[in-house]
Amino acid sequence: NAGVMQNPRHLVRRRGQEARLRCSPMKGHSHVYWYRQLPEEGLKFMVYLQKENIIDESGMPKERFSAEFPKEGPSILRIQQVVRGDSAAYFCASSPSLGELFFGEGSRLTVL
Amino acid sequence: AQSVTQPDIHITVSEGASLELRCNYSYGATPYLFWYVQSPGQGLQLLLKYFSGDTLVQGIKGFEAEFKRSQSSFNLRKPSVHWSDAAEYFCAVVRYSSASKIIFGSGTRLSIRP
Repeated sequence: NAGVMQNPRHLVRRRGQEARLRCSPMKGHSHVYWYRQLPEEGLKFMVYLQKENIIDESGMPKERFSAEFPKEGPSILRIQQVVRGDSAAYFCASSPSLGELFFGEGSRLTVL
Repeated sequence: AQSVTQPDIHITVSEGASLELRCNYSYGATPYLFWYVQSPGQGLQLLLKYFSGDTLVQGIKGFEAEFKRSQSSFNLRKPSVHWSDAAEYFCAVVRYSSASKIIFGSGTRLSIRP
C-alpha cells in the first residue's frame, strides 16, 4: 500500500506564474489535508477536503489559492500569480477517518 | 479557540541522556493528541497518539507520552536518546466537529550532542 504521494517534490516558479501541486492519498483514505510550512516554522493548516467537497478552508488565503479533490484523480492545490512569500513546503496528508494523518514528503515551492 | 503550545524551540541533549519535550494544549473537551517527528527534508511521521484510556501511551522508536488532564499537557519522553533522534518534533491536537482539522504546535528542534 503506497503512502501519500506528492508531486512535484520541487517546483520553481517566477512571480506571476501559477503553481499546481498534486497529492494522491493513501488507498482507502477519503480525507485530505493541505498544510504549509515556512522555513523554521511549524505547519499551518490550509484546507481539509473530502471527495468533491471542501470541508474546511479556513486556513486558505482568500485570494489566489484554491484546492480541489475530485471524484477521480489526485487532490490539487493551485496557487495563481505566485509571489515570493508563497515560497514554502506544502504538505499533503490523508486520513481514513477523522484523526491520524499520514503525510506525504511535501512539495517545495520556490518563487524567484 | 484551541491551541497547542510547545514552549521549547530548540533542545540539545547528550546521546544516551533522557529526553522530555513539552506540549500544552488549550481545548474545552478531552482532545485527541499526537506527536509527530520530521527529519530534514522529509514529511511527518506519527510517533504516537492518545485517544482515550491509559494516559501513558507507547509509540515507535522507544518514545512514550503521558496525558495529564490537570496540567493540560502531553509531554513526550524517551529514556535514552540516540543520534538518529535529531529531528523536529511536533505536538498536535484534533478538534472533533463538523469541520475537523489537526492543529500543530510550532515544533521543538532536537539536537544530539555526541
